[in-house]
Amino acid sequence: GESVGLHLPTLSVQEGDNSIINCAYSNSASDYFIWYKQESGKGPQFIIDIRSNMDKRQGQRVTVLLNKTVKHLSLQIAATQPGDSAVYFCAENRHPGANNLFFGTGTRLTVIP
Amino acid sequence: KAGVTQTPRYLIKTRGQQVTLSCSPISGHRSVSWYQQTPGQGLQFLFEYFSETQRNKGNFPGRFSGRQFSNSRSEMNVSTLELGDSALYLCASSRDSEAFFGQGTRLTVV
Repeated sequence: GESVGLHLPTLSVQEGDNSIINCAYSNSASDYFIWYKQESGKGPQFIIDIRSNMDKRQGQRVTVLLNKTVKHLSLQIAATQPGDSAVYFCAENRHPGANNLFFGTGTRLTVIP
Repeated sequence: KAGVTQTPRYLIKTRGQQVTLSCSPISGHRSVSWYQQTPGQGLQFLFEYFSETQRNKGNFPGRFSGRQFSNSRSEMNVSTLELGDSALYLCASSRDSEAFFGQGTRLTVV
């Protein structure tokens, strides 16, 4: 069936290095994707989003890349900091304008000081 | 600006009981969605309400229901609780596409 998934469940990086978290999706009709960060005991926090008419979007220290050909999404975090340690989810909004998200399984990012 | 508020934060219930969870969205947000988060299944969409009407529904049994009031506050209800209903229940509100989540209600069924 259709799904949104991640390649790796865990990722460890040294403080100051760049992090790359990957996500694959299977619904070729999907046109809106979001990355969330979830810290322990908290709800998911919006990081950045991208629509299918774009292949790259940048925020503060974060960049999302979308490759529609291979249905792949990635989140790049520059100069990773200890505060970036969290679980990261990609989510697919199959009904733009609605609030109806399908989440991937998540990647736990650990930043090593 | 106040965020999404969910009450209570923690609940312990017995199998067979029913439970009601509450969500107050960000002011001005008319869409409220509910999600269940478990270690095994991850984050799963339950349903979405917009202007007091259910707009979308996930793949959960009828024991899970919800409603939305005229002030956009929402409640979800789970009847005849099962052990597998133990989870973090998250509410998210949105005005456009960007959804803001509350801290969730941790439900434990014993």
